[in-house]
Amino acid sequence: VQLVESGGGLVKPGGSLRLSCAASGFPFSTYRMTWVRQAPGKGLEWISSVGSSGNYIHYAVSMKGRFTISRDNSKNSLYLQMNSLRAEDTAVYYCARAGGLYYLDFWGQGTRVTVSS
Amino acid sequence: EIVLTQSPGTLSLSPGERATLSCRASQSVSSDYLAWYQQTPGQAPRLLIYGASIRATGIPDRFSGSGSGTDFTLTISRLEPEDFAVYYCQQYGSSPMYTFGQGTKLEIK
Repeated sequence: VQLVESGGGLVKPGGSLRLSCAASGFPFSTYRMTWVRQAPGKGLEWISSVGSSGNYIHYAVSMKGRFTISRDNSKNSLYLQMNSLRAEDTAVYYCARAGGLYYLDFWGQGTRVTVSS
Repeated sequence: EIVLTQSPGTLSLSPGERATLSCRASQSVSSDYLAWYQQTPGQAPRLLIYGASIRATGIPDRFSGSGSGTDFTLTISRLEPEDFAVYYCQQYGSSPMYTFGQGTKLEIK
């Protein structure tokens, strides 16, 4: 199982970024996928999850309306579109597989997002 | 929303000692929905325990999980140098879907 995130970087407040997560080594289309973030020196914060077929999308309340999760099972890829970014969105963003729905059994190495002017 | 509180915030122990980490939920949590993760500096979290007491694939048997209701425990029977890390508990719910505790840092004494 391998999950590789990309798309992070430095963005100005109010800007947008699209994160990607390339999955391999497992039947991607059969698993729920999730984005989790970790601000510098802080704990883990769930962002959003999407069901195996792209349905059953859920967001953390604080991210709903600004962030959009999606997936392309034909490309074994997960995405996170982030708009109206704020300084407090600065974090490492991880994609993770929901192994048994209730827990996250594999994680990527993360991509760093810095929101600063 | 269920809040998970981990204690202690920092635990200082020596290799070979036993570590006991606590995770307390603000409301009762199904054991099926409770997991533990380990995170070493600069690395992604790693699943240790799910279903409160089931070790994930490849996790050494010195790691064990227990508990029910609102009180859950992660025990490391004999600390190895590579076990010094930050540990998070996590519960699955409806909203938010995944909630994490604030973490316990296990440091070398």
